[in-house]
Formats: sequence, structure tokens, C-alpha cells
Amino acid sequence: DAMVIQNPRYQVTQFGKPVTLSCSQTLNHNVMYWYQQKSSQAPKLLFHYYDKDFNNEADTPDNFQSRRPNTSFCFLDIRSPGLGDAAMYLCATSSQGGIEAFFGQGTRLTVV
Amino acid sequence: AQSVAQPEDQVNVAEGNPLTVKCTYSVSGNPYLFWYVQYPNRGLQFLLKYITGDNLVKGSYGFEAEFNKSQTSFHLKKPSALVSDSALYFCAVRDKGGTDKLIFGTGTRLQVFP
Repeated sequence: DAMVIQNPRYQVTQFGKPVTLSCSQTLNHNVMYWYQQKSSQAPKLLFHYYDKDFNNEADTPDNFQSRRPNTSFCFLDIRSPGLGDAAMYLCATSSQGGIEAFFGQGTRLTVV
Repeated sequence: AQSVAQPEDQVNVAEGNPLTVKCTYSVSGNPYLFWYVQYPNRGLQFLLKYITGDNLVKGSYGFEAEFNKSQTSFHLKKPSALVSDSALYFCAVRDKGGTDKLIFGTGTRLQVFP
């Protein structure tokens, strides 16, 4: 089945140690999003790609970076995770001009 | 700026009773509106959307939503709640012709009691 896959589902990282979360999709959508969601709050958009065009939200900390090497894959890099970065990270895709977004299962990040 | 508001943090309803989860929106033009559901430690699942046309939209799992332009509302409804409907529900808006951003409300926790 076509889908959005996030790996791993659970990630534990040490304070200050770089960590990468991955997302892949088989939908061939050209828009990919990364959201941060803390403890049942609303998902907060960090950035999104329109094909290879990167769009950063104004309030996304510099600590968060992203890479999209091809249509199928997108990575979220947290350069120096702090305790406040512990959250669920959600990847989503949509087609250009498309309507709804399709979400992966999320990666729950714990910072110790 | 576009936004959605979900005025209730939690909604409690008895199984078999109708449920309503409220959402109001604010956009400069005509909106795309969505409802998503989230179960614990899972991603968001799409329930339904409003684009244009009929104000009553039917979606997955027996849910429906009514678009009301005059009240700028898009309330989620189900005629008969199930215990398995207990989850976190998010309303979202996307601006037509905008930047493709999907903006979420703060979420409403639905608790259905047996």
C-alpha cells in the first residue's frame, strides 16, 4: 500500500547528541512536511519542501535542519537536542495543488 | 492569518449518543477544511474534508461535518458514538491558493463512556 513511513517509531537520544529522523513515501507527492507535536498539543509546522524548494517557518529554531535528497525521502536533523525538543515528530505529504495531507505514524523522540 | 479554533479541550459523551466536536475557522478567502483523528502514540488519520459544494460532508467511520459559512464553523458530528471513537480530534485549514500549509487547531479529546 502506498504510504508515509517514519523510522524509527521511538528514538532515544542524549542531550546535545545529533539525531536524525527519517521519512519515506511511496505516494510520489512533491510536498513533504515536518511537524513537531508536544504532549497532545496541536502539531506545529517546522518546515516543508515543495519539490526541492525548502520553506522554513519563521519560528523554527536553527537547531532543526532538513534534507530531501529525492522525492521519496526526507530527513529531520536535530543538531543538538535539548530536553525541550522531546516530542512526537510527524512527517506528512501532499501532492502539489492537492487537498489533504497524508501522515506517517510519527517518531516519538525522548531526550535524556 | 488563517487559523482554526477548537473551543473545547474535552468532550464527553455516552456510547450510542450523538457527538459534536466544534471547530471555527478564520481565513481570508475560501478555505479547505479538514478533520483528523489521532490515537495514542500514532500519527494523524484523515477523516474528512470540505472543499466546495454540499455543506454536509461525510467521512470515514460514520463521521460527518457541516460547513457553515455564515458562522465560519465546521463542526464534526456522529449520530451514535462508539467507545472506540475515543481519541484526539484536530480540525485543520488550508488556504486555497495559498502556501499549502496545513494549520491545526489545538485539538479536542473525545471520551466516549460505555
